[in-house]
Amino acid sequence: GNSVTQMEGPVTLSEEAFLTINCTYTATGYPSLFWYVQYPGEGLQLLLKATKADDKGSNKGFEATYRKETTSFHLEKGSVQVSDSAVYFCALTSAGGTSYGKLTFGQGTILTVHP
Amino acid sequence: NAGVTQTPKFRVLKTGQSMTLLCAQDMNHEYMYWYRQDPGMGLRLIHYSVGEGTTAKGEVPDGYNVSRLKKQNFLLGLESAAPSQTSVYFCASSQLAGGLYEQYFGPGTRLTVT
Repeated sequence: GNSVTQMEGPVTLSEEAFLTINCTYTATGYPSLFWYVQYPGEGLQLLLKATKADDKGSNKGFEATYRKETTSFHLEKGSVQVSDSAVYFCALTSAGGTSYGKLTFGQGTILTVHP
Repeated sequence: NAGVTQTPKFRVLKTGQSMTLLCAQDMNHEYMYWYRQDPGMGLRLIHYSVGEGTTAKGEVPDGYNVSRLKKQNFLLGLESAAPSQTSVYFCASSQLAGGLYEQYFGPGTRLTVT
């Protein structure tokens, strides 16, 4: 079956530091890959997505590249802000119509950014 | 356009009590999902629906039932609550567009079973 593994957290950074959160996956075929963000007390919001190998998803200064050869989708940001403090989830959905968009999530990584 | 809404936001139950969580979406999406979120485990799929009148089991369906009598609503029921069902429950909806399902999530329901 599908699985997603994220780097262990929590991650604590100073403002303007570089961020990397590692994500690797196991799936058959060509899944679609996502990063979701959950701010305190809120639901999940889609941060970025990629649907095929070598696609780069980007949003709000965050980037992630779909690497088929290493089955990875690492999240990066060049300069984090205090407002980026949140929980970040890597997720995938299988290719094909019968997946019905069901998501498989990683365990989440808590990011705290200090001024 | 409210997106996905969930009722209630918080609930405390005693072991053995029952309750229903309501999810509503106003985006005319075909697909709806219920997930639970537990610390260190991400979100896990409980049940999902691919259209009005349909339901299917997800990864962790035991102890839960669902119904989708109207396209815009997806109900999650706990017939006899157990402490292991203490969790945060999220509903989501999606539609296939451009070959991709993009899920939209509700704000969550925090349930405590004592």
